[in-house]
Amino acid sequence: ETAVFQTPNYHVTQVGNEVSFNCKQTLGHDTMYWYKQDSKKLLKIMFSYNNKQLIVNETVPRRFSPQSSDKAHLNLRIKSVEPEDSAVYLCASSLDREGGTEVFFGKGTRLTVV
Amino acid sequence: QQQVRQSPQSLTVWEGETAILNCSYEDSTFDYFPWYHQFPGESPALLIAIRPVSNKKEDGRFTIFFNKREKKFSLHIADSQPGDSATYFCAASGASSSFSKLVFGQGTSLSVVP
Repeated sequence: ETAVFQTPNYHVTQVGNEVSFNCKQTLGHDTMYWYKQDSKKLLKIMFSYNNKQLIVNETVPRRFSPQSSDKAHLNLRIKSVEPEDSAVYLCASSLDREGGTEVFFGKGTRLTVV
Repeated sequence: QQQVRQSPQSLTVWEGETAILNCSYEDSTFDYFPWYHQFPGESPALLIAIRPVSNKKEDGRFTIFFNKREKKFSLHIADSQPGDSATYFCAASGASSSFSKLVFGQGTSLSVVP
């Protein structure tokens, strides 16, 4: 099966803890992304990676950091979570770096910060 | 800066009616305009997309109308079915850009009433 796989599906943690989310794509794509979807369903891009190079980095807090070992994996680490980090984090991938192609999303990781 | 604006925020139509969802954009370098749909508990998935070389794209009951001069595009869902009930996102990206970055609208929650 080829798709975008994320783990875990859900994560509940306390303020100040560190969390890490994993993402793997088996589509052979060159570019991977992390999107944040808040409670109002707004989708905002956080990071974009192409061949292990960060090519888009929106103004996200510095406690967020993407980590990639190869073009098929892009993890997301949050150093010290805050309540406003509660959201669904969607990993995605696309075939090329220049846009204009379909973006495939994983099923998401729902983070709840208590 | 909101580069892609979507309306209405929510829409209710009767089964069999045509649902019309609207989007506008600001960046004239955008040249790829997809629509994604997201069912409850699922991740967004591509529904249909258009490039500015044409002003209309059809796929079954789904049609995109594109107006380059006014920087607007819309999704028409003909003969709406209850199974079409979902959140719909318009998006835009610039294939000519060196970055791959899909900017999403705020979403429209569509309910189709039997």
